[in-house]
Amino acid sequence: QKEVEQDPGPLSVPEGAIVSLNCTYSNSAFQYFMWYRQYSRKGPELLMYTYSSGNKEDGRFTAQVDKSSKYISLFIRDSQPSDSATYLCAILNYGQNFVFGPGTRLSVLP
Amino acid sequence: KAGVTQTPRYLIKTRGQQVTLSCSPISGHRSVSWYQQTPGQGLQFLFEYFSETQRNKGNFPGRFSGRQFSNSRSEMNVSTLELGDSALYLCASRATEDNSPLHFGNGTRLTVT
Repeated sequence: QKEVEQDPGPLSVPEGAIVSLNCTYSNSAFQYFMWYRQYSRKGPELLMYTYSSGNKEDGRFTAQVDKSSKYISLFIRDSQPSDSATYLCAILNYGQNFVFGPGTRLSVLP
Repeated sequence: KAGVTQTPRYLIKTRGQQVTLSCSPISGHRSVSWYQQTPGQGLQFLFEYFSETQRNKGNFPGRFSGRQFSNSRSEMNVSTLELGDSALYLCASRATEDNSPLHFGNGTRLTVT
């Protein structure tokens, strides 16, 4: 079983839709959770960083962590064509290496 | 504050050659990590340097090496290039604390022919 699993997509949604992106992980010791957005020909850009179960909101983005289920989600409200990118989840155990999901490619259609 | 800077952006090399990639971290960041990204394998960890010392190493052959200088700038070297080394090489820096997130540069796209 891979340490982090993520549906690779592609996921296509109409503009204005609510997007839900998800990752599951296997190691309950993981403590820190991140979401990155990567545009074509660019490096990953940090979107959200959290370490506790529950929700964290930043503008149109909400990160949700459920440690009991080992499940993390990123919600995008009022999605825009500019949100079209690959979204990577990343998980960290204190003092250890980051583990990245394979990424979900999202297309928001105008 | 300037972000992570990687040079060059693109490189084309032939099999058997060697290549050196350069990375300047965010000012004040002493940790620099290198990742290889390919469509099939995703992001794979190469190594991390902190204060000029290699702190962690991924599962790559010895042809992949790196170093960090006293100003935290880092270089990665790949010797005896193989076709399978074609990838996007990403550098990331982070603050000192072990729970700090990574901040990535835009990468160097290496093509081996």
